[in-house]
Parts: sequence; structure tokens; C-alpha cells
Amino acid sequence: SQQGEEDPQALSIQEGENATMNCSYKTSINNLQWYRQNSGRGLVHLILIRSNEREKHSGRLRVTLDTSKKSSSLLITASRAADTASYFCAPLYNQGGKLIFGQGTELSVKP
Amino acid sequence: DAGVIQSPRHEVTEMGQEVTLRCKPISGHDYLFWYRQTMMRGLELLIYFNNNVPIDDSGMPEDRFSAKMPNASFSTLKIQPSEPRDSAVYFCSSSKQGMETQYFGPGTRLLVL
Repeated sequence: SQQGEEDPQALSIQEGENATMNCSYKTSINNLQWYRQNSGRGLVHLILIRSNEREKHSGRLRVTLDTSKKSSSLLITASRAADTASYFCAPLYNQGGKLIFGQGTELSVKP
Repeated sequence: DAGVIQSPRHEVTEMGQEVTLRCKPISGHDYLFWYRQTMMRGLELLIYFNNNVPIDDSGMPEDRFSAKMPNASFSTLKIQPSEPRDSAVYFCSSSKQGMETQYFGPGTRLLVL
């Protein structure tokens, strides 16, 4: 399968701590996107990082991309209870032209 | 902007019945996607349209599934006849630039008994 593989599958932390989620993918990509899904809701786009970028920030979110290792990470700093959700990476491969969503990381932030 | 609108939000039906899910994309977006999400298989792309034309339907599970986009503001996903294994949450999303940022609707939770 060409879907992104998130790691860990589940993560439980205390409010105020940082959360790091990782994503590995298979072949060369055009871009890689991160989405969040709150329970019972649709996905919300967080960040898009292109293959020629190494790092991108958005508020408390930091995404890195290492194309040599075919991996990306999402860091949420100073987490809040409201960050509790599932986080998905979705690589856009050069071959195929479709976003392939992984199984997600389920993040639980305890107050 | 109202965002992507899906209806119904919940649907309970019996095996063999026809089910029609509806989606209104964000105005000005020319890509529309239909996904299915289950615990076992995760989020799967079923079909997507560009300018109302189906581009890739390779994810449609079988002939019982069909999708149409008669105009830029409306799409349907139909299952006929429905089966219990079709039970899932079906999402519609739209985007302005193909496979760039997609905006998802709230989903339709389908239960086939």
C-alpha cells in the first residue's frame, strides 16, 4: 500500500507537553499534507509541505520533511485538551496523483 | 462561506434498499472527492471529479456504487442495492487546486441493517 504510515498509533500526554507524530511514505512525493479529525467530524487541513521544503510552521504546529528518509513529523507544542483528535498524514505521490491517507495517530491530551 | 455541505448526516436503512448521499461543494472549487471511512480500512478515496467530470473512480468498490455530478454545486453517491458491509462514514471534500488543500464536509454516517 502507498498510504502514509503514522507512528505511534496512539499517544497520550498531559496538557502543556509537546506531541510528536511521525509519518513514513513509500516513493517520491509532490507534497505531504497533515489533517486533524475530531471525533465524529470531518477532516480539517493543518499544513501542506512541498517536496522541496524541509520545515514549515503554523502557530503551535511544526512540520518537518526528510525526503532522503521518506518521512515527516508533526510537532504540536504546548498541547491543549482541545488538541485531542486523530491526526493523519497524506502524501501526494508523483505517480498516481491522489492523496493517500494513513490510519492516523490518535492523540489524547489530558487536562 | 458555508463549507462543504452533506446530507443526510445519518442514514439507517435495510439491506437491499437504495441509498443516496448528497454533497454541495464550496462555491468556486472545481474538484470534488468522495471518501469512505471505516475502522478496518481507514479513509479510502472512492471517486473524484474535476469540473463535474469523473477523473478517477478506481476506488469505487463495485457496480453497486455510482456517483454523479450534474453541476458544479451538487454531487450524489448512490448505493443500490445496499449491503451491511457498506456501513461506514462517507465524506465529501472539495478543493480549488486539485490535490492541494481539501475541505471536508461533516460526513454521512450510514448504517445498513
